[in-house]
Amino acid sequence: SYVLTQPPSVSVAPGQTARITCGGNNIGSKSVHWYQQKPGQAPVLVVYDDSDRPSGIPERFSGSNSGNTATLTISRVEAGDEADYYCQVWDSSSDPPWVFGGGTKLTVL
Amino acid sequence: QVQLQESGPGLVKPSQTLSLTCTVSGGSISSGSYYWSWIRQPAGKGLEWIGRIYTSGSTNYNPSLKSRVTISVDTSKNQFSLKLSSVTAADTAVYYCARSQITMNHAFDIWGQGTMVTVSS
Repeated sequence: SYVLTQPPSVSVAPGQTARITCGGNNIGSKSVHWYQQKPGQAPVLVVYDDSDRPSGIPERFSGSNSGNTATLTISRVEAGDEADYYCQVWDSSSDPPWVFGGGTKLTVL
Repeated sequence: QVQLQESGPGLVKPSQTLSLTCTVSGGSISSGSYYWSWIRQPAGKGLEWIGRIYTSGSTNYNPSLKSRVTISVDTSKNQFSLKLSSVTAADTAVYYCARSQITMNHAFDIWGQGTMVTVSS
């Protein structure tokens, strides 16, 4: 099965830029999606297809994907961005085809 | 807008079968643009995809659970369901139903609120 690796935690001061990585073998050839999950809530899609944002997601959330690493970037971080973030890919050649990273806890200092 | 709602027992005894239903409102489960999945999350841990169903009834399961999982769809009720047999404490988790969009490379764009299932005697 395909494996996605995320750092367990990332810390950033308010107003700064947070970067959360998601590593996978040749992940640049796949479409990566990112979810934000706040305590006690269901995950929310914040970036899909590497860098697209669903309606209602602030422009501060952006994504990139190349080589073996995909990155979620959150600009001008706010206290309300503190959450767990998960990357996910769909790989038809993998079993299971839907795979999540282990998640990254973003702490706003 | 489309909403998903999980329902089912919050407590299941070990060795029994966990049964959950996801009701889709605001849209049709029969739309060909989506897959319908179950995903779970043990307390303090990450997300695990359990399996999915298409409106035609075709299914795909996580190999780690395949021998114990059955997902079915009832288009007349706009619902899909999960059955997980021979449960143990390791199956204790929040269970989510979610919709993935084929045109978005199978991103999960809509999630239910989740339902906590505890396996305990």
